Amino acid sequence: NAGVTQTPKFQVLKTGQSMTLQCAQDMNHNSMYWYRQDPGMGLRLIYYSASEGTTDKGEVPNGYNVSRLNKREFSLRLESAAPSQTSVYFCASSDQGRITGELFFGEGSRLTVL
Amino acid sequence: DQQVKQNSPSLSVQEGRISILNCDYTNSMFDYFLWYKKYPAEGPTFLISISSIKDKNEDGRFTVFLNKSAKHLSLHIVPSQPGDSAVYFCAARGVWGKLQFGAGTQVVVTP
Repeated sequence: NAGVTQTPKFQVLKTGQSMTLQCAQDMNHNSMYWYRQDPGMGLRLIYYSASEGTTDKGEVPNGYNVSRLNKREFSLRLESAAPSQTSVYFCASSDQGRITGELFFGEGSRLTVL
Repeated sequence: DQQVKQNSPSLSVQEGRISILNCDYTNSMFDYFLWYKKYPAEGPTFLISISSIKDKNEDGRFTVFLNKSAKHLSLHIVPSQPGDSAVYFCAARGVWGKLQFGAGTQVVVTP
């Protein structure tokens, strides 16, 4: 019963390096999201994908790109990492048919940019 | 511009007593409000929700109250248990079903 799976769980980068965070869900959800969590800021939406083939910017998209590879997978890419991108990243998915629209989250990926 | 605010970063409560977590919002178009619970090194998990057309929703030890005129909601946990020690996030659903989250409240339940 995997739910939402994120990889890697931990990563240390140097400024200017690139990396991709991977996310996969096995709940057949249409919508997927990437959030970042920072102290005192809560969870902020980076990008989301309402359905396969579509992606849209959230509150804090600068410095990130995303790819909705198929219905299951949604990746987040940092092209040139900056220290301000040090954060914990969460992938989430939702079934838009559920009236409350609740999100199901992965366990998170802790990224440190030196 | 944060539209969902949790002004108390932390709350300490004795086991068996009531925990009250507060959340304020500014956007009157939010149609659902949700509470999530988060343990360290885990992702947030859904706890309870309430529709904007209701003023109370109860699920076991957890009750959420909504005061639309004040744009305020609260989560009551009765009785509080050690396993309730976690960070609690308030969230509100807006346009296109996107959730906006508050900053979270760290709850510590002491014996």
